[in-house]
Amino acid sequence: KAGVTQTPRYLIKTRGQQVTLSCSPISGHRSVSWYQQTPGQGLQFLFEYFSETQRNKGNFPGRFSGRQFSNSRSEMNVSTLELGDSALYLCASSTAGTGGHEQYFGPGTRLTVT
Amino acid sequence: AQSVAQPEDQVNVAEGNPLTVKCTYSVSGNPYLFWYVQYPNRGLQFLLKYITGDNLVKGSYGFEAEFNKSQTSFHLKKPSALVSDSALYFCAVRDGDAGRRALTFGSGTRLQVQP
Repeated sequence: KAGVTQTPRYLIKTRGQQVTLSCSPISGHRSVSWYQQTPGQGLQFLFEYFSETQRNKGNFPGRFSGRQFSNSRSEMNVSTLELGDSALYLCASSTAGTGGHEQYFGPGTRLTVT
Repeated sequence: AQSVAQPEDQVNVAEGNPLTVKCTYSVSGNPYLFWYVQYPNRGLQFLLKYITGDNLVKGSYGFEAEFNKSQTSFHLKKPSALVSDSALYFCAVRDGDAGRRALTFGSGTRLQVQP
């Protein structure tokens, strides 16, 4: 089975712009979660989608949004980019996303905001 | 609420020696515990998990972890470290009795194995 894929792998944007990141989960996985990883804050949960519905949300401002399509692929969008949004954005998929189901991570998208 | 703590930012060990990476957790209900490893410029890779049953869990690459309910700990161990084990390790927890809750990750521990 192919793993979780994320596109693009690297991105450079200017402050004030918006960006869309894409994630394709492992085939058959219906849960997709997004995380932001920075050296200072570690790994922070953004949101989780299951069957096109947002099931959990982390403590991020409304500039961060996401969606999931019927084929389980997911996108996250960040509007009005700030310098502090520079980070590695990780997507993870799981069969159900709850209980004892582990998550499988993609390689991440490295976003740099200048 | 659920939380996890990794008290050591970095662990240094010589190749061939046993290694331990510490993790403690806090949940209201039954804990579901996970260990992940991250190599440079890569996403996280799943190593092992504890859901129920035997307190000693075996995972990938020779790693194992011991669940200790009384001490609320889930330490990662390996009998003989390899230089290639050098990476960033994350512990994560989910409260099994709290419905569809997201995973909470620890701050990570950098493992450095010296030749």
